[in-house]
Amino acid sequence: NAGVTQTPKFQVLKTGQSMTLQCAQDMNHEYMSWYRQDPGMGLRLIHYSVGAGITDQGEVPNGYNVSRSTTEDFPLRLLSAAPSQTSVYFCASSRQPGGQPQHFGDGTRLSIL
Amino acid sequence: GQQVMQIPQYQHVQEGEDFTTYCNSSTTLSNIQWYKQRPGGHPVFLIQLVKSGEVKKQKRLTFQFGEAKKNSSLHITATQTTDVGTYFCKIVHNAGNMLTFGGGTRLMVKP
Repeated sequence: NAGVTQTPKFQVLKTGQSMTLQCAQDMNHEYMSWYRQDPGMGLRLIHYSVGAGITDQGEVPNGYNVSRSTTEDFPLRLLSAAPSQTSVYFCASSRQPGGQPQHFGDGTRLSIL
Repeated sequence: GQQVMQIPQYQHVQEGEDFTTYCNSSTTLSNIQWYKQRPGGHPVFLIQLVKSGEVKKQKRLTFQFGEAKKNSSLHITATQTTDVGTYFCKIVHNAGNMLTFGGGTRLMVKP
């Protein structure tokens, strides 16, 4: 099992560009989520999904879109990148929302100039 | 909304000293989880607490869940340099589907 795989690991964008951060898991987990972590800070929830076809907003959803067409994949789209979105992005999955450990990907380090 | 506060934000200790981080919630929690993130790494699950007053141990780490299920602590006895990292608590929020993390406590250990 690969666990949770995030691509790319690093990315530099210019302000206004769009891009998609990929996240895939092979554990058949229903619950997936995206977090951002700014330097020296905690993890803030962007969007989450309790299963294929269902997504919902987290604490900081503005500027991001998600979709969940399959159980395995949960891509995060930046619509028009802004410098304030420079951060490390983590995708996580678990069998259920609560009461189960979350498994994290290695993160995508995103810089927006 | 449901919030969890984690203190302290930073802690410097000499190797061999003890360390404790605390998470406090304004509302009763169904459970609480603890994670460790090494510098440059991703969060890794340590443990989950569910029952009121629960105490769990993992070698030098002791985890406690308060009697009212509103607070929790992680205590490390005789810290080692391998304990360096940021420790986060995580709670279930808003009817059970939104998972939020405390701000984390960054532990630095001087050899």
